Amino acid sequence: DGGITQSPKYLFRKEGQNVTLSCEQNLNHDAMYWYRQDPGQGLRLIYYSQIVNDFQKGDIAEGYSVSREKKESFPLTVTSAQKNPTAFYLCASSIGLAHTGELFFGEGSRLTVL
Amino acid sequence: AQSVAQPEDQVNVAEGNPLTVKCTYSVSGNPYLFWYVQYPNRGLQFLLKYITGDNLVKGSYGFEAEFNKSQTSFHLKKPSALVSDSALYFCAVRDRVTDSWGKLQFGAGTQVVVTP
Repeated sequence: DGGITQSPKYLFRKEGQNVTLSCEQNLNHDAMYWYRQDPGQGLRLIYYSQIVNDFQKGDIAEGYSVSREKKESFPLTVTSAQKNPTAFYLCASSIGLAHTGELFFGEGSRLTVL
Repeated sequence: AQSVAQPEDQVNVAEGNPLTVKCTYSVSGNPYLFWYVQYPNRGLQFLLKYITGDNLVKGSYGFEAEFNKSQTSFHLKKPSALVSDSALYFCAVRDRVTDSWGKLQFGAGTQVVVTP
């Protein structure tokens, strides 16, 4: 079955450590996204990528980095520069540019900073 | 700039009663509108969308939504709620003119609680 796989589902980090969240899709979608979810704030866009080797900052990119070396993969690194990293992180994909279709979401990764 | 408002943090309804979750939006052009549902510790699932055409849109699990351009609203409805409909619901909007690559603006979410 096609879909988006995020790992790990739960992750604990000590302050000052970088962590990388994995996102893999087998939907053959061109566009991929990373969102952060905090209680009562909805979803906020961190980074997005339209094609391989290209990505753009979203609304809250500070303290995060991404790469898009393969169409299927869009990993997110939460760096030590992110001041409040504890959150639920969601990866999503869509068909591509100028589309009218929906986003497909992974199951999420919950990061807790100890 | 586009924005979405979900005025209710929580909606409580008895099983079998009608369910309505409110959403209003603001865009500079014409909108694409979406509803998603999220169960605890899960990703979001697509319910329905309005792109163009008929203002009443039918989606998954018996849900429907009505696009009202004059009131800039896109309320989600279900005629008879089930306990299993208890979840977090998100409205999202995209301005079809200014956001050609598909960026969605999400509302803060509305928690729906359906009691037996």
